[in-house]
Amino acid sequence: AQKITQTQPGMFVQEKEAVTLDCTYDTSDQSYGLFWYKQPSSGEMIFLIYQGSYDEQNATEGRYSLNFQKARKSANLVISASQLGDSAMYFCAMKDSNYQLIWGAGTKLIIKP
Amino acid sequence: DSGVTQTPKHLITATGQRVTLRCSPRSGDLSVYWYQQSLDQGLQFLIQYYNGEERAKGNILERFSAQQFPDLHSELNLSSLELGDSALYFCASSALWRVSNGELFFGEGSRLTVL
Repeated sequence: AQKITQTQPGMFVQEKEAVTLDCTYDTSDQSYGLFWYKQPSSGEMIFLIYQGSYDEQNATEGRYSLNFQKARKSANLVISASQLGDSAMYFCAMKDSNYQLIWGAGTKLIIKP
Repeated sequence: DSGVTQTPKHLITATGQRVTLRCSPRSGDLSVYWYQQSLDQGLQFLIQYYNGEERAKGNILERFSAQQFPDLHSELNLSSLELGDSALYFCASSALWRVSNGELFFGEGSRLTVL
């Protein structure tokens, strides 16, 4: 069965440090996609970054990058130079063979000043 | 602002009651998805509509139903409410019938509290 696992329920990081949020996935599909979303305390879901399974380069969007290791089935989100506004829940999701998104349980990130 | 509008933002009701949540997708988007997020949980996919037709169904209870109207707005109906139905209900929209490499655009959610 397809599954997304986020093993870090919560993380504390000092402001300006880089942070890596872990995501592993399980699928037998050859073609799939991986997403990261941010959910601030206000509740809305904000798209951050996408990685396709055939993309040879790691995706980057500003301070966000996705460390995609296909053989290990991991798609970790790296946030460089963290800011107080990065405090939020972060969700990893995978597009399955039916083009629906399967979601991880999330990681709560708190940035300390 | 994602362009997806959900109403109401907050709703408090009693067990056994029925509520309707409404979603207006982004202009031009034909696909509407409904998700349920219980406290400290990830999102659970409920149902998807594309251009008025049901496209995919997830873990949606029989007490729940949805539809998409000709103007593409969608409604999620929750009936015989139970305490466990308390959750944040998200609507998301996309242009295509399937999620490609583009993102889903989420509304701000409707927070339902069942007392």
